[in-house]
Amino acid sequence: SQQGEEDPQALSIQEGENATMNCSYKTSINNLQWYRQNSGRGLVHLILIRSNEREKHSGRLRVTLDTSKKSSSLLITASRAADTASYFCATDAKGGSEKLVFGKGTKLTVNP
Amino acid sequence: DGGITQSPKYLFRKEGQNVTLSCEQNLNHDAMYWYRQDPGQGLRLIYYSQIVNDFQKGDIAEGYSVSREKKESFPLTVTSAQKNPTAFYLCASSFGGPETQYFGPGTRLLVL
Repeated sequence: SQQGEEDPQALSIQEGENATMNCSYKTSINNLQWYRQNSGRGLVHLILIRSNEREKHSGRLRVTLDTSKKSSSLLITASRAADTASYFCATDAKGGSEKLVFGKGTKLTVNP
Repeated sequence: DGGITQSPKYLFRKEGQNVTLSCEQNLNHDAMYWYRQDPGQGLRLIYYSQIVNDFQKGDIAEGYSVSREKKESFPLTVTSAQKNPTAFYLCASSFGGPETQYFGPGTRLLVL
């Protein structure tokens, strides 16, 4: 029952560049979340954006949400080698679902 | 120091054996979740629990069982009926609903 789908599957950039990852989903949502996972570790929550919000910032992170296109993007500015990780979007489904559905993730590599 | 812990970090299962993965949280969260992650894949929901003494099947519950006797604890048993148990298992907790989930460090299960 996959809801979110990240794009691209993998992204390799140089330190200092910006990284943009996209997430598309299928059904109406209450909110959309982005998580980061370092290799072999648990997920860490980055940011939550609600369906009535269009943009949200947190430090070097900028998330946008376009509910008409059922898509979201995560922008990491001035990337660092420490940003190397997999990034997942997670969505709920409107109608009171208490579950999150995760995409397959974007694997980001930031080269020093 | 609040958080969510999982043990062990690595677990080896012999053919026909049941094994139990531990998950404990001291965040006072009502909801707890178990996910399975296969290499290069997203997270798939095994079981979740919104309150003590109640739990629901996720998308891939076959071959797994859980209990929720205490708010802080949500152990997962991988039974011998699970024919392909090799994976990374992640436990998470939240205040409930489709809100931010906090993840443990994971348990890697390997079959001998």
